[in-house]
Amino acid sequence: KNEVEQSPQNLTAQEGEFITINCSYSVGISALHWLQQHPGGGIVSLFMLSSGKKKHGRLIATINIQEKHSSLHITASHPRDSAVYICAVRIGTDKLIFGTGTRLQVFP
Amino acid sequence: DTAVSQTPKYLVTQMGNDKSIKCEQNLGHDTMYWYKQDSKKFLKIMFSYNNKELIINETVPNRFSPKSPDKAHLNLHINSLELGDSAVYFCASRPSTGFGGYTFGSGTRLTVV
Repeated sequence: KNEVEQSPQNLTAQEGEFITINCSYSVGISALHWLQQHPGGGIVSLFMLSSGKKKHGRLIATINIQEKHSSLHITASHPRDSAVYICAVRIGTDKLIFGTGTRLQVFP
Repeated sequence: DTAVSQTPKYLVTQMGNDKSIKCEQNLGHDTMYWYKQDSKKFLKIMFSYNNKELIINETVPNRFSPKSPDKAHLNLHINSLELGDSAVYFCASRPSTGFGGYTFGSGTRLTVV
């Protein structure tokens, strides 16, 4: 069992829908990261969280340290949001452990 | 003006060959990493270096040898390539002070035939 679990694995949505991707982890962490990998393959760092909530444009990330759970929300989704979203936790001496990713497709 | 640049972007080579992937960052970050993304798109850390010093070596075969000539460069040399080495390799960097996030290179797709 992976130390970082994401759900759902695949997600399809209509443009404009509110999207939630969940991440649960089973280890002690110093930070949690949300990454976006586009179909072209490049990886972009969206958020780094150690507590609470962060917002950037239409993206919101929350973390509950006690429950070892984080969510990534996308408001008013758009086809350009189609990508793989990856949760990763940082442990120990700066090691990242990755979730298996959530593939999101947003249709017009 | 790429922040983390990897070369080459694609690499096709025969089993048994030795190859290198180069990574350079112009962000002034202290820490650099190599990650491997397998055919199922699962990412896993291989190495991390901080100011040219090896910090993480994650049970990677000895055929993989990272080299950091200075803190802006982290190259990956692979000896005696095997079919199972086929993957996408990502370089990344991060500032070691403060709470900075990761900046990833665009990846190198290695295909061993």
